[in-house]
Amino acid sequence: EVQLVESGGGLVKPGGSLRLSCAASGFTFSNAWMTWVRQAPGKGLEWVGRIKSRTAGGTIDYAAPVKGRFTISRDDSKNTVYLQMDSLKTEDTAVYYCTTMVQGWEWGLGTLVTVSS
Amino acid sequence: DIQMTQSPSSLSASVGDSVTITCRASQGISNSLAWFQQKPGKAPKSLIYAASSLQSGVPSKFSGSGSGTDFTLTISSLQPEDFATYYCQQYNSYPQTFGQGTKLEIK
Repeated sequence: EVQLVESGGGLVKPGGSLRLSCAASGFTFSNAWMTWVRQAPGKGLEWVGRIKSRTAGGTIDYAAPVKGRFTISRDDSKNTVYLQMDSLKTEDTAVYYCTTMVQGWEWGLGTLVTVSS
Repeated sequence: DIQMTQSPSSLSASVGDSVTITCRASQGISNSLAWFQQKPGKAPKSLIYAASSLQSGVPSKFSGSGSGTDFTLTISSLQPEDFATYYCQQYNSYPQTFGQGTKLEIK
């Protein structure tokens, strides 16, 4: 069974940093392209970024609103993908989901990030 | 960026009805289209991928069709647990983009 478990969310002040983790199981993580998606309170879904597998080149792409502030990385030895978030803004407040395509899209339960003074 | 436009934005239906939600892409995306169901306070649940492939464990009352720019999600024989918000997503090119959602409510 595929499982994605996000952690690391919390309350942070504007300008602060936070690192989210997503622990994966139930599939071959090293072959997977891992994606982060967020959802602001009462809003729709927004793609944040994606990291390809190492064998596919490990390329990382980011959405324009987070480019230069967020960094995605992966540790295949730990079956974990990370989202380092720096220079956080109030508009980054959202539930952050980790997703991947196995046979169809699989989603974690999400972790809430609140950016507020 | 590819824009995904869902219609309608909201829909009222009765238990037992069938409904269809449409999603239009601003440019061709082949069949790289997924549909998700989301209930308040919960993570999205995958229903359909590759436009028409049913996610494992999802009942066959959900069906998807389309290719290129126009796609549909059909839900037959609505049950109380089907009333939720539905999103489409294109994953043909980056950034991946989502429709704005369709809220399905009980009439």
